[in-house]
Amino acid sequence: QSVLTQPPSVSAAPGQKVTISCSGSSSNIGNNYVSWYQQLPGTAPKLLIYDNNKRPSGIPDRFSGSKSGTSATLGITGLRTGDEADYYCGTWDNILSAWVFGGGTKLTVL
Amino acid sequence: EVQVLESGGGLVQPGGSLRLSCAASGFSFSSYAMSWVRQAPGKGLEWVSGISGSGGSTYFADSVKGRFTISRDNSKNTLYLQMNSLRAEDTAVYYCAKDVLEIRVTPFAFDIWGQGTLVTVSS
Repeated sequence: QSVLTQPPSVSAAPGQKVTISCSGSSSNIGNNYVSWYQQLPGTAPKLLIYDNNKRPSGIPDRFSGSKSGTSATLGITGLRTGDEADYYCGTWDNILSAWVFGGGTKLTVL
Repeated sequence: EVQVLESGGGLVQPGGSLRLSCAASGFSFSSYAMSWVRQAPGKGLEWVSGISGSGGSTYFADSVKGRFTISRDNSKNTLYLQMNSLRAEDTAVYYCAKDVLEIRVTPFAFDIWGQGTLVTVSS
């Protein structure tokens, strides 16, 4: 059972938009910064969003992040088959004094 | 090019020990906190441990506390994970990850990941 809760899977058609939620508490998301990671099959994770809504250089603006209270959301527009991957949210937890990841969400582009 | 490269994985018996290394290059290693993140076969990501740039602050997941030790040698640009009393549930690919921001004591986000090294705990 992960400290951060994500839906196990989401799906959408090519060209459409999808959102992935990440729910936590005041000890983690509520008082810290959220980051999002994309893991393509058989590869290492890749940073998509940090500081709730900032994109590292090279990450297209099709990817966006937001945070409200104790929840965060990753948005992906203009879906492509190449976006099929597992997506993870993460943040620091002040009570655990540890980094926590969500359980991951598998994105299928139909 | 900024990169990190893990090594030291392998097959070890339950109760055994293993030391992982992560060689960093292309950035000012001592300025960045570093972490180890693992992924069991078919499972999600699990943060294992983190260390500040100076090495003065360390953090561990409850699942490894008291069994694993994290350290770094800034003169060698290398991060280590000493794993003792290994269990079957420690079987995973272990990734080394660099923090995205400088001069952080606790992890902020991970922008550079290695390719991972597989640790298998089995008799």
